[in-house]
Amino acid sequence: AQTVTQSQPEMSVQEAETVTLSCTYDTSESDYYLFWYKQPPSRQMILVIRQEAYKQQNATENRFSVNFQKAAKSFSLKISDSQLGDAAMYFCAPLLGAGTALIFGKGTTLSVSS
Amino acid sequence: DTGVSQDPRHKITKRGQNVTFRCDPISEHNRLYWYRQTLGQGPEFLTYFQNEAQLEKSRLLSDRFSAERPKGSFSTLEIQRTEQGDSAMYLCASSPSEGLSYNEQFFGPGTRLTVL
Repeated sequence: AQTVTQSQPEMSVQEAETVTLSCTYDTSESDYYLFWYKQPPSRQMILVIRQEAYKQQNATENRFSVNFQKAAKSFSLKISDSQLGDAAMYFCAPLLGAGTALIFGKGTTLSVSS
Repeated sequence: DTGVSQDPRHKITKRGQNVTFRCDPISEHNRLYWYRQTLGQGPEFLTYFQNEAQLEKSRLLSDRFSAERPKGSFSTLEIQRTEQGDSAMYLCASSPSEGLSYNEQFFGPGTRLTVL
């Protein structure tokens, strides 16, 4: 069975600091996609960043970057210069084939303090 | 706004009643997904359409659940004889099969169902 583990149910960070959210997954596929989604309280799920498994270069989107370790099946999210608006639940979600469903972890709730 | 829309946003019903939810995907997206999310958990897959064809259904989708996507546009999710365990947020997502956003799923705001 495909599984996704987010081992940090809650994390906290101060404004302007850096925080890393961890994710490990299990798959026998060699070609797949990895996503981090953000879900603010009572608001819509939005995509933060994506990584194609065949790419060795780690993805970066402004203050968000990933550390993708394919052999270790690890996909962590680093948020730099944290802002109050980053407070949300973050989900790691592999997509293991075209047209298949995302497999979500249980999420990490990130709180940001000023 | 050309995002994914869902209707209604909230639904309160009594146990045993039938409910139907609607999802309008982004117009050029041919893939449509339904997920269910309970409080404090990640979404769980329910079913997937490519155009009008329902290609995959989760074991979570019991006989009381049915989904359609006539003409490959909007989709409906119906729950018959609702149970208290059906209380959850029902999320719809759509995805293109080509282009820069290939395989990215865009989520709607969800329909929150409460079964009393």
